[in-house]
Amino acid sequence: QVQLVQSGAEVKKPGSSVKVSCKASGGTFSSYTISWVRQAPGQGLEWMGRIIPILGIANYAQKFQGRVTITADKSTSTAYMELSSLRSEDTAVYYCARENAPTPLDYWGQGTLVTVSS
Amino acid sequence: DIQMTQSPSTLSASVGDRVTITCRASQSISSWLAWYQQKPGKAPKLLIYKASSLESGVPSRFSGSGSGTEFTLTISSLQPDDFATYYCQQYNSYRWTFGQGTKVEIK
Repeated sequence: QVQLVQSGAEVKKPGSSVKVSCKASGGTFSSYTISWVRQAPGQGLEWMGRIIPILGIANYAQKFQGRVTITADKSTSTAYMELSSLRSEDTAVYYCARENAPTPLDYWGQGTLVTVSS
Repeated sequence: DIQMTQSPSTLSASVGDRVTITCRASQSISSWLAWYQQKPGKAPKLLIYKASSLESGVPSRFSGSGSGTEFTLTISSLQPDDFATYYCQQYNSYRWTFGQGTKVEIK
């Protein structure tokens, strides 16, 4: 059974950066991709980007290009999402999720609340 | 990026009703469309992928159809556990996008 366990809640100042981790267990980490999706309070789901761990290649939604970096450490089966230049609008729950083609996001992490406040 | 538009935004229905949610893509996405269910405070749950394939363990009252730019999610007989928000998502392009969501409420 695949499990994705994310790091804990964060409180950040505007202008700073946050790095959220997502540790996978079960399955073969290098055989699937990991996406990051966020959800602001009371709002819908927003896809941020994804990484293919075996290749180390990531692609990002245009909205976050230049501000988000997604990486993966195959040795620890952990993916990371770093978001910089934080503003209040980045306050959201951030999820990681697995894609195992042809199925898209079939397993999700528990979510990490990031609060941006001065 | 491809835009996904769901309708309606909110739907009021009763237990036993047949419910249909529509999702339109701003350009053709073939059959690369998924549907998710989300309940408050929980991560989304995959229901349907490739427009009409039922994810393992999902009740057969859920079904999906469509291709190109128009898609539907149908719940054949709404159950109490189905009151939730539903999202479509395209994964055809290099950049994925979600619809804005449809909240299914108790009538």
